[in-house]
Amino acid sequence: DTGVSQDPRHKITKRGQNVTFRCDPISEHNRLYWYRQTLGQGPEFLTYFQNEAQLEKSRLLSDRFSAERPKGSFSTLEIQRTEQGDSAMYLCASSYTVTENYGYTFGSGTRLTVV
Amino acid sequence: QKEVEQNSGPLSVPEGAIASLNCTYSDRGSQSFFWYRQYSGKSPELIMSIYSNGDKEDGRFTAQLNKASQYVSLLIRDSQPSDSATYLCAVNPDQKVTFGIGTKLQVIP
Repeated sequence: DTGVSQDPRHKITKRGQNVTFRCDPISEHNRLYWYRQTLGQGPEFLTYFQNEAQLEKSRLLSDRFSAERPKGSFSTLEIQRTEQGDSAMYLCASSYTVTENYGYTFGSGTRLTVV
Repeated sequence: QKEVEQNSGPLSVPEGAIASLNCTYSDRGSQSFFWYRQYSGKSPELIMSIYSNGDKEDGRFTAQLNKASQYVSLLIRDSQPSDSATYLCAVNPDQKVTFGIGTKLQVIP
């Protein structure tokens, strides 16, 4: 297994454009998480899936953000009408279940810059 | 009050010394506790997990947990310049992990 894969690694977009990121988790993991991290801060929870079901969304996740995980495999995170405040590193992580204490395995992240 | 509190640092230690990183958390229901290392521009990497009160050792790393005091720490013995990174304390009060802001560690050769 090659770990958690994220694509693209970097994305520069103009304000107002839509962007979509992809995450391929470790195949044995049934949970998939999206986090956002800005400079000098820790990762901030956005949403998570167990298999194909989206179980929780952060209140910080505005209506411009949507995530899917069709068939419980890869996941996509879409941001519509991007704003400069969306500039951040978007991290995907997968795990069996946190309560089984395996922790997360993170992907390399997608760095978004909105200009 | 933030759920996970860490001093952002930087914490500077000489090579070969013990680095001590500390963290407090607010939710007494938290069951699992993690330390992640994050190099600049990279994603976090899990280095230690601890679930029971006391110490857990793995190589040069020792995690310490005191649930009564809601306190987690990470000790790095024989610190090396390659240990220079940001160390994120993470706690799971529910079905997801909550992170602190991280402590930046600088190991001076």
